[in-house]
Amino acid sequence: QVQLQESGPGLVKPSETLSLTCAVSGYSISSGYYWGWIRQPPGKGLEWIGSIYHSGSTYYNPSLKSRVTISVDTSKNQFSLKLSSVTAADTAVYYCARQIQLDHFDYWGQGTLVTVSS
Amino acid sequence: QSVLTQPPSVSGAPGQRVTISCTGSSSNIGAGYDVHWYQQLPGTAPKLLIYGNSNRPSGVPDRFSGSKSGTSASLAITGLQAEDEADYYCQSYDSSLSGGVFGTGTKVTVL
Repeated sequence: QVQLQESGPGLVKPSETLSLTCAVSGYSISSGYYWGWIRQPPGKGLEWIGSIYHSGSTYYNPSLKSRVTISVDTSKNQFSLKLSSVTAADTAVYYCARQIQLDHFDYWGQGTLVTVSS
Repeated sequence: QSVLTQPPSVSGAPGQRVTISCTGSSSNIGAGYDVHWYQQLPGTAPKLLIYGNSNRPSGVPDRFSGSKSGTSASLAITGLQAEDEADYYCQSYDSSLSGGVFGTGTKVTVL
């Protein structure tokens, strides 16, 4: 059974960088598939942030591209998200998920709430 | 910046059939890209409900079905049950964004 678990600070100050890691178990990232990040502001809908292939190729939402970096560490079987220059608008539950062919997401983490506040 | 439009809410009595629409454009659904659906129960992560327009992952009841036509797609729930009360999101690929896009979301209420 594939499982994903997000981890990282729950509180980030404005203008700083949000950093999250997604640990994958039950499947080796280096075996394939894409791995993505999605976020959901409180009471709002889902937004795709970006995805990374196991080889390291990245794909970002154009609206966030200038601030986002997604990386993969196959030795630790995890991938990470960095979002720079955060504001209150970046407050959201952040989910990591396995993505099939840059298409649908079949396995999701439970999500982690990140609040941007001083 | 959702480019897939869904009705904010739909409701139905137990046992009834409800449908949720997902309207896109020529750069996503209309371009032939597949549509997928997710169910999000309160306080939980989204769960894949339908992929590739009409395919159900293992374990998803056949009460849920999906279809696609032109620039739109639909999710139907037949034999509505109290446990179906949740938010539902459609998702596709958009060529102008070179990435995934989600619908605005629909809250299903069981009366």
